Amino acid sequence: GAVVSQHPSWVICKSGTSVKIECRSLDFQATTMFWYRQFPKQSLMLMATSNEGSKATYEQGVEKDKFLINHASLTLSTLTVTSAHPEDSSFYICSLPRPGKHGYTFGSGTRLTVV
Amino acid sequence: QKEVEQNSGPLSVPEGAIASLNCTYSDRGSQSFFWYRQYSGKSPELIMSIYSNGDKEDGRFTAQLNKASQYVSLLIRDSQPSDSATYLCAAISGAGSYQLTFGKGTKLSVIP
Repeated sequence: GAVVSQHPSWVICKSGTSVKIECRSLDFQATTMFWYRQFPKQSLMLMATSNEGSKATYEQGVEKDKFLINHASLTLSTLTVTSAHPEDSSFYICSLPRPGKHGYTFGSGTRLTVV
Repeated sequence: QKEVEQNSGPLSVPEGAIASLNCTYSDRGSQSFFWYRQYSGKSPELIMSIYSNGDKEDGRFTAQLNKASQYVSLLIRDSQPSDSATYLCAAISGAGSYQLTFGKGTKLSVIP
């Protein structure tokens, strides 16, 4: 099945700085990847769909200029949280479709803390 | 608005008992349903998928789907303390869609 590598696992940054999170598909080429955000005791909320070679599709209420997504290759999608603020502190998870199957495989997640 | 609803729990069961987790969904066009297990601080891992009405069994896990009632459930037999986690129900809508909609999850505690 699909193997997904997500880095970093956790990051602490100062308010106003930017943080880049990487999501790599290790064993197959992914034209689509999904980025989710999960606040404590909440469910996963889809932020955006990352499409290889084209612009990402953002869900309603997600600022595309704040959460920059780049899917420049079939194995790598990045999410950059720009000018991070404490309210951006959350658990960010990428996922991608499982080849030949339904459902998705998730990365290990990135715990972002903005201080 | 496509919604997936779950009782947030916590659901506590003694070790060895059957844990029953329930989920309802609002989009009648939903075709595919999934149960994920999420340990605290970790990302979700797929436990079961089900697409047709009826039961699907995999080891200690049984998923049940009733499309007429828009209801999905997960039974865990012989519950173990290691089963303690949050269980997320998820659905994919009708043809042409590939986005997962998650419920808020049910926290399960298996008491030794």
